[in-house]
Amino acid sequence: AQSVTQLGSHVSVSEGALVLLRCNYSSSVPPYLFWYVQYPNQGLQLLLKYTSAATLVKGINGFEAEFKKSETSFHLTKPSAHMSDAAEYFCAVSAQGAQKLVFGQGTRLTINP
Amino acid sequence: GAGVSQTPSNKVTEKGKYVELRCDPISGHTALYWYRQSLGQGPEFLIYFQGTGAADDSGLPNDRFFAVRPEGSVSTLKIQRTERGDSAVYLCASRPHPGPYIPIYNEQFFGPGTRLTVL
Repeated sequence: AQSVTQLGSHVSVSEGALVLLRCNYSSSVPPYLFWYVQYPNQGLQLLLKYTSAATLVKGINGFEAEFKKSETSFHLTKPSAHMSDAAEYFCAVSAQGAQKLVFGQGTRLTINP
Repeated sequence: GAGVSQTPSNKVTEKGKYVELRCDPISGHTALYWYRQSLGQGPEFLIYFQGTGAADDSGLPNDRFFAVRPEGSVSTLKIQRTERGDSAVYLCASRPHPGPYIPIYNEQFFGPGTRLTVL
């Protein structure tokens, strides 16, 4: 079975500061890992995904995430926050060959001017 | 191209009523998923279709929930005898069938959701 824990339901950073959103996963088999972003009243949009190739994954809008098997983590980072990054972020895991995504509780990112 | 669409965008109903929520996947996508997102929570898996058949319905909470995809495209999620606890945003997602040029990375494309409110 798979599970995801996102540390911090709410993260607030200043514009231009580093963004770090934490995700730890549990999986009995090699996982696929995803970060999705959700803007108000919109569906989920894929930011990036890990699929057992490179451990450092680059996504859209300047985001990247690093897969660390020893720490069972897949934290999302962005060097410099922009006001438009304010949204809800979800980490998700899927076992290779499985179909469903298992999501974390989400982290609401607020950007302070 | 067009993304996943869901109708209605909002649905308000009374406790005990029957509701249907519709999902139009991206054209050509063979896999279709339903998730439920309660307030302040991440989406939770309900059911997965591959083509016309439900390949995994392990997430349906009880027998009041049912989904169909009769022609392998549009899907309808049906909820009988709605309860206040069914209030949530219902999300639909689709994914293309893996092939020579489409990896099996399970990337799902989500619709905007239907917000269901049961009074």
